[in-house]
Amino acid sequence: EVQLVQSGAEVKKPGESLKISCKGSGYSFSSYWIAWVRQMPGKGLEWMGIIYPGDSDTRYNPSFQGQVTFSVDKSINTAYLHFSSLKASDTAMYYCARRPSGAGYGDVWGKGTTVTVSS
Amino acid sequence: SSEVTQDPAVSVALGQTVRITCQGDSLRIYHASWYQRKPGQAPVLVIFGENNRPSGIPDRFSGSRSGDTASLTITGAQAEDEADYYCNSRDTNGDPWVFGGGTHLTVL
Repeated sequence: EVQLVQSGAEVKKPGESLKISCKGSGYSFSSYWIAWVRQMPGKGLEWMGIIYPGDSDTRYNPSFQGQVTFSVDKSINTAYLHFSSLKASDTAMYYCARRPSGAGYGDVWGKGTTVTVSS
Repeated sequence: SSEVTQDPAVSVALGQTVRITCQGDSLRIYHASWYQRKPGQAPVLVIFGENNRPSGIPDRFSGSRSGDTASLTITGAQAEDEADYYCNSRDTNGDPWVFGGGTHLTVL
């Protein structure tokens, strides 16, 4: 079964750093892009960007450039979303999704990681 | 334009047909994909490409496009289809960053 398993919910304070993970299984992890998607409370979905595990090629949605960093450890089939200094406005659900090369959609999604940033 | 827009809410009687639309300039060039999101669950891809359903998606879901508008049609809506539906396309630069704002479907 193809699946993406995300790390658990996080509660952080403003200014703290955070790394959330997304582990793929059941397919060739290196051959599909991993996308990160944000959903803020009561709002819609937003693509943050994508990373290709095969060579770590990374593309950021301009709206998120400089705000987050993607990385991948293909030896353990895991992608990461990094926040260097959290803000209250980073409070959201974050999803990872598998994105076939050349496609504009995510065909398999993780269950999401809730991030709460509060002092 | 790099945006696509959706009606915020649509309702349909049980067993009837409903069309959910997504409008934007990029849809003249690129197909939309569609996702279903139920409360507390991850989004599920229901339509991609011209009119393709992933494995496991019922054939009552179909997609189409005309001009600047893409549509998701549910033929014979079921109670379990009540959800938020999001369209997704590329912007006019070809970057795959565009989601519609979502349409909440109520099945009456």
